[in-house]
Amino acid sequence: DGGITQSPKYLFRKEGQNVTLSCEQNLNHDAMYWYRQDPGQGLRLIYYSQIVNDFQKGDIAEGYSVSREKKESFPLTVTSAQKNPTAFYLCASSSRGLRTDGEQFFGPGTRLTVL
Amino acid sequence: DAKTTQPTSMDCAEGRAANLPCNHSTISGNEYVYWYRQIHSQGPQYIIHGLKNNETNEMASLIITEDRKSSTLILPHATLRDTAVYYCIVRVALYNFNKFYFGSGTKLNVKP
Repeated sequence: DGGITQSPKYLFRKEGQNVTLSCEQNLNHDAMYWYRQDPGQGLRLIYYSQIVNDFQKGDIAEGYSVSREKKESFPLTVTSAQKNPTAFYLCASSSRGLRTDGEQFFGPGTRLTVL
Repeated sequence: DAKTTQPTSMDCAEGRAANLPCNHSTISGNEYVYWYRQIHSQGPQYIIHGLKNNETNEMASLIITEDRKSSTLILPHATLRDTAVYYCIVRVALYNFNKFYFGSGTKLNVKP
């Protein structure tokens, strides 16, 4: 089955600790994205990557970091600098470029709770 | 900044058509309208997208007004499994990157 996997589904961390969320895709997509979703809100873009070894900040990148060493993987680290990290985190992927069918495919999400 | 406005919630009777409106009055000529839905605590699921013309697929129909300032997603025969939050999204082309602008969505409640 082709798709996007995120792990873990639920994650609990103490305040001040860094935590890394996993995102893997086997869709052969070049582009990958990380979004944050707060209760009752839409998705906000944290980081995106168009190709391996390249990534760009989205609208709310402060307190987050990413890497893109492999096409299939785009892990997100929530650092202690993120002031309000408790949220639902979604990873997505798409074909690269301005294709007319440029829909994004989403993973199941990781719910992070900082205690 | 969200580029779309949607009602917060809507009710629909099972078996009837669900018509979900969306306003995107500032949309530009090359920006697409996408619809996704999200069932509680899951990742959003793609439904349909369009630019100018009306579109239909196995899940839904998308009606875009001639001036492109608004659109309507139609689920022709809503079922209980269609209960979800529906997002109307404007896709903006930035250099070589497609950016999706999510609003707060419409919570559709399908009732027996």
